Amino acid sequence: EVQLLESGGGWVQPGGSLRLSCTASGFTFSNYAMSWVRQAPGEGLMWVSGITASGASTYYADSVKGRFTMSRDKSKNLMYLQMNSLRGNDTAVYFCAKQRSSGLRGFFDYWGQGIQVTVSP
Amino acid sequence: DIQLTQSPSTLSASVGDRVTITCRASQSISGWLAWYQQKPAKAPRLLIYMASTLHTGVPSRFSGSGSGTEFTLVISSLQPDDFATYFCQEYNTYSVFGQGTKVEIK
Repeated sequence: EVQLLESGGGWVQPGGSLRLSCTASGFTFSNYAMSWVRQAPGEGLMWVSGITASGASTYYADSVKGRFTMSRDKSKNLMYLQMNSLRGNDTAVYFCAKQRSSGLRGFFDYWGQGIQVTVSP
Repeated sequence: DIQLTQSPSTLSASVGDRVTITCRASQSISGWLAWYQQKPAKAPRLLIYMASTLHTGVPSRFSGSGSGTEFTLVISSLQPDDFATYFCQEYNTYSVFGQGTKVEIK
């Protein structure tokens, strides 16, 4: 059974940093691209960041480029999102999502339960 | 950038109704479209990919069709468990989601 479990969320002041982690199990982690998708309160879904199966390529939405860094550790089945210079409009539930493909272009066949990130004074 | 527009934004329906949700792309995305269901405080759940392929375990009352710029999600006979918000997603380039369609009880 595929399982994705996010951790590391919480409250942080504007300008602060957080690191989200996603622990994956139930599939061959190194074969699939992974992503972070966020949902602001009462809003829709936004693809934030993605990383290829090999880890060689990453994608970032314009709104987070230069502030967020995504990485993966294939030996530990872990994925990370380092979030720096956080802003109020980064407040959202962040979902870890597995892609069906090895590349960045694809749909999300399994999702974690999501973790809250709140940025406020 | 590709934009996806879903209609309607909200849909009121009764159990047993046939429900149709439309997703329009601002440019052709061939068949690179997925549909998701999301319930409050839950993660999205994949329903359909490649515009019309049902994901594992998804009931057959769900179906998808379309190509190019216009796509539809149909629930043939709405069940109590289907009241939720539905999102389309294009993956022709990078991922963009529609704004969502909330299916509520009439």
